[in-house]
Amino acid sequence: DVKVTQSSRYLVKRTGEKVFLECVQDMDHENMFWYRQDPGLGLRLIYFSYDVKMKEKGDIPEGYSVSREKKERFSLILESASTNQTSMYLCASSVTGSWPLHFGNGTRLTVT
Amino acid sequence: AQKITQTQPGMFVQEKEAVTLDCTYDTSDPSYGLFWYKQPSSGEMIFLIYQGSYDQQNATEGRYSLNFQKARKSANLVISASQLGDSAMYFCAMREGLANYGQNFVFGPGTRLSVLP
Repeated sequence: DVKVTQSSRYLVKRTGEKVFLECVQDMDHENMFWYRQDPGLGLRLIYFSYDVKMKEKGDIPEGYSVSREKKERFSLILESASTNQTSMYLCASSVTGSWPLHFGNGTRLTVT
Repeated sequence: AQKITQTQPGMFVQEKEAVTLDCTYDTSDPSYGLFWYKQPSSGEMIFLIYQGSYDQQNATEGRYSLNFQKARKSANLVISASQLGDSAMYFCAMREGLANYGQNFVFGPGTRLSVLP
């Protein structure tokens, strides 16, 4: 089974802090994604990466950056956390093509 | 414009009955895939079923089937013999341009299903 692991289940940070959300997958998938999930809005793509050091903006990249230095690891960075970034963050990975996304368990981030 | 529409924010079904969750999509790409995911209260996203745009038959996986009507651009999920454990959020999703890198993987807003004993 594919395993996608997110480093924290719950996180509480203060406004203005730099926040790192880490994600690791163990199936050598080339594609990795970061989504945020908010009630009534479904999942919205922040960034994705199709290879090491490669990244593409999703629908809502503002206020976020990403890093992929190794194939198995994809990090989401909030340079200066704001209260409107309080949300559930989901990492996913997949093989290119008609294959589903495999998700981690999510990180619920609260910015106060 | 919304690429994935799920018009039912919430639904109730009696245990052991069948239920249909609606999903319509919008794409001009001839090559796409449609996915359904389940998200229980624990938060994990569980992949349920997949339908490719070129598939001739409707997909089935155990108690889950996908009613694919290409001309109407609908991909409804049918759950037969509902169980209490089916209570969850259900998301319809679409991936366009299947041969390409996975940028266009979009989700609908979800339907919350509650199964009544």
